[in-house]
Amino acid sequence: AQSVTQLGSHVSVSEGALVLLRCNYSSSVPPYLFWYVQYPNQGLQLLLKYTTGATLVKGINGFEAEFKKSETSFHLTKPSAHMSDAAEYFCAVSYGSYNTDKLIFGTGTRLQVFP
Amino acid sequence: SQTIHQWPATLVQPVGSPLSLECTVEGTSNPNLYWYRQAAGRGLQLLFYSVGIGQISSEVPQNLSASRPQDRQFILSSKKLLLSDSGFYLCAWSVRDVWRGARFFGPGTRLTVL
Repeated sequence: AQSVTQLGSHVSVSEGALVLLRCNYSSSVPPYLFWYVQYPNQGLQLLLKYTTGATLVKGINGFEAEFKKSETSFHLTKPSAHMSDAAEYFCAVSYGSYNTDKLIFGTGTRLQVFP
Repeated sequence: SQTIHQWPATLVQPVGSPLSLECTVEGTSNPNLYWYRQAAGRGLQLLFYSVGIGQISSEVPQNLSASRPQDRQFILSSKKLLLSDSGFYLCAWSVRDVWRGARFFGPGTRLTVL
C-alpha cells in the first residue's frame, strides 16, 4: 500500500536560512510524488512533482526536491527562507490509473520563518 | 485559463441542519472532480471523486453525499449535519490522462457545526 510520512509537524527557521522539510514514502510501484503548499485559509497549490526522469525537481518559489529511491525519500529544500514561505506543506504520493488516480497526502508540516 | 470557484467561503450551521456546498470549474472540459476535507490538525481526507456527470465514488462512509449534475459542477450535501462534519472543505479538479496526481484546488469552504 502507498503511504507518505512527513517528519516534523512544525519546522521553524530564520529568514535566510536553509529550509528542509522531510518526506518519506512507501509504494509498491514506481511512485509519482508531489509537494503542495497551503497558505492560511486557502486551498492547496502544487509546488513541484516527480514522475520519471531527473531525480532533482525544481518547483516554484525557489523550492526543489530530490527523489532518492534508495532512501524512499522526497525531501523539500530551499536555500534561503523568506518570510513569505511561512505556510503548511504537504507531501503526497499518487497511484492508480491515469483515469482514476488516487493521491495520498501526508499530515503536513507547518513552516514558520522568523526575522 | 482554468479557475475553480467554491461557495460559500464560510458557513456556520446548527447540528441536524442540511448542507449544500457548490464547486464549479471554468476553462476546462471533462475534468476529474474531488471533494476533500481537512480537519484541524489533520491532513487531507478524500471524500468523493467523480470522473463524469452522474458518476460519484465515495471514499469514506459518512452522512455526506456528492452529486455532479453538470460537467463542471460538483456539489457536496448532507441531510443532517453532525458536529464531526466541521472542517475545511476543498474542491479540486485534475486533467484526465495528464499529470497524474496533480490537483488544482479551490479556495475552500470553512464549515463550523455548532
